[in-house]
Amino acid sequence: QVHLMESGGGVVQPGRSLRLSCAASGFTFSTYGMHWVRQAPGKGLEWVAIISADGSAKHYADSVKGRFTVSRDNSKNTLYLEMNSPTTEDTALYYCVKEEKIGYYFDYWGQGTLVTVSS
Amino acid sequence: EIVLTQSPATLSLSPGERATLSCRASQSLSPSSLAWYRQKPGQPPTLLIYNEFERATGIPARFSGSGSGTDFTLIISSLEPEDFAVYYCQHRGGWFRTFGQGTKVEIK
Repeated sequence: QVHLMESGGGVVQPGRSLRLSCAASGFTFSTYGMHWVRQAPGKGLEWVAIISADGSAKHYADSVKGRFTVSRDNSKNTLYLEMNSPTTEDTALYYCVKEEKIGYYFDYWGQGTLVTVSS
Repeated sequence: EIVLTQSPATLSLSPGERATLSCRASQSLSPSSLAWYRQKPGQPPTLLIYNEFERATGIPARFSGSGSGTDFTLIISSLEPEDFAVYYCQHRGGWFRTFGQGTKVEIK
């Protein structure tokens, strides 16, 4: 079955960098678009970024554009999110999400990794 | 940028009652671009409805979606205990995705 396991979260100081990873299994990773979605404590869902199946297309929410970089290694079935210059506004649970191929909606989610930006 | 506004923010109902949740878009949406998710406490969201009215795999018939243009509705015909949760609508616009702010369905 599909399994998505995020890692790399923790406490990071404002302005320092952090890289999140998502290990995927149970499906042909290289043929699906993947997303990062975040949820600040007690708040709603916010879409962060998308990367196409082959990694050639990447798009970001305005709130992270220019600071975050999404990437993937299809040989390792792994998705990444490089967080540069984080601020306290980036404190959230970060979910790795697979999209399905009919309507490109989110059909599988990981359990999330918590990022806390604090000095 | 499309903004999705959900109402009400909180819905207080009893098990067995009907729930009606609204999602309004700031501009008219293309057909087959709106989904609904349920998020139970401490869990990631689950896809319920896609393309406005199609039920996702394994989702029971008590969930139904409707709407077009700027106004969309999720109806839960008879609330089960596991339905007391937060619900989000979500739009797919090209590469980009947008969520509504959520409606919490709580036990009255």
